[in-house]
Parts: sequence; structure tokens; C-alpha cells
Amino acid sequence: QKEVEQDPGPLSVPEGAIVSLNCTYSNSAFQYFMWYRQYSRKGPELLMYTYSSGNKEDGRFTAQVDKSSKYISLFIRDSQPSDSATYLCAMSGLDDKIIFGKGTRLHILP
Amino acid sequence: EAGVAQSPRYKIIEKRQSVAFWCNPISGHATLYWYQQILGQGPKLLIQFQNNGVVDDSQLPKDRFSAERLKGVDSTLKIQPAKLEDSAVYLCASSWGTGMISGNTIYFGEGSWLTVV
Repeated sequence: QKEVEQDPGPLSVPEGAIVSLNCTYSNSAFQYFMWYRQYSRKGPELLMYTYSSGNKEDGRFTAQVDKSSKYISLFIRDSQPSDSATYLCAMSGLDDKIIFGKGTRLHILP
Repeated sequence: EAGVAQSPRYKIIEKRQSVAFWCNPISGHATLYWYQQILGQGPKLLIQFQNNGVVDDSQLPKDRFSAERLKGVDSTLKIQPAKLEDSAVYLCASSWGTGMISGNTIYFGEGSWLTVV
């Protein structure tokens, strides 16, 4: 079992829809949970990070962590074509080693 | 503020040849990372420097890969000899410190795309 599992997609949704992206993990030592966005032929950029369980909101983006289920989610409201990218979840524990998921390719259809 | 600079952006080499990638981190960032991202995969850490010392190189294939960070600023990643499975994007990244405890953010460059034929 991989430490971090993420459906690679692609996921295609119409503009304006709510997008739900998810990851599961197996290592209960993970404390920090991150979402990165990666546009084609660019490096990843950090969107949001959360510590431990709970929700965090930033504009149209909401990150959720459920440590009891080892499940994290990123929601995008009012999705825009500019949101089309690959979304990578990433996690780390107190050892500071960041483990990335494979990424989910998202297409927002105009 | 200038971002992480990498060169070359694209490189095609034959197997068994050598290649070198250069990285200039964001000014003032003490920590520098090299990641390998194979198509369809997430980035995998190859080596992490804190100033000019190595913090973690546990996943660096040391028989063919080497990296250095002279004077704690720029860094070079070298592959010699290259194998077909080394075809990937090599991402350099930098941050102020290490770990997420202090809210440390890692900034990535655009990557150096390597194709080994």
C-alpha cells in the first residue's frame, strides 16, 4: 500500500461547478497536509496547508482533513477555466519529509 | 521577488551520456531541494541542502547522481551515466527553513525536462 493515494483523473467538470479532489493516506504520523497546483510545464505552487484535522478556507478553496479516516479533500467553488491544472496532495510528519500524491488532472470546461 | 531559476529548461541526451542542471534559489533561502518528477507521478525528493550541507540524500542514486551546493547558494545536479528511466522533470525548490512547523513554504522552479533516448 502506497503512503499517499490519489486518483490521477482526468476529471472534467463544467465551469461554475464545485470540484472535489481527494487523497487517502496510510501513515498516521502525518501532521501537515498540503495541496499544490501545477500548471502544464510549470513547477508546483502551494495552494493551502492545514495542520492536523479540520477545515481551512481561502477564497474559493476549502481544504478538509479527517485524520480518523486518513482522508483529505480540496473543494473548489465556482470553478473557472483557469483552475485547469494538476492538483497534488502532499503530507509530512514531524520528520519534515514531504510525500506527494501522483496528482489529479482537472479540466474545467467553459 | 525573483523566483527559483533553473537551466536548461529542456535537454535530450543519449543513454550513458552525462547531463548537468543548474539552480539558483530565491535570495536568502537557506534550504534547497532537488526533486525528480516522472510523468504522471508526484515529485520525489532526491536531495535536500541546508546552506551548503546535505540534510537528506537517502533517495539519491549515488552511483550515477551527484549534487553540490557551493557557497550555500547555487546548486548543480549531475547525472552520469544517464539511463532511460532518468527521463523526468528535475525540479529545484527552495525555502527559508525546513519543515512545516514554522509554516515553511517551498517554492519550486519551472523544472528542467530531461529526455534520455
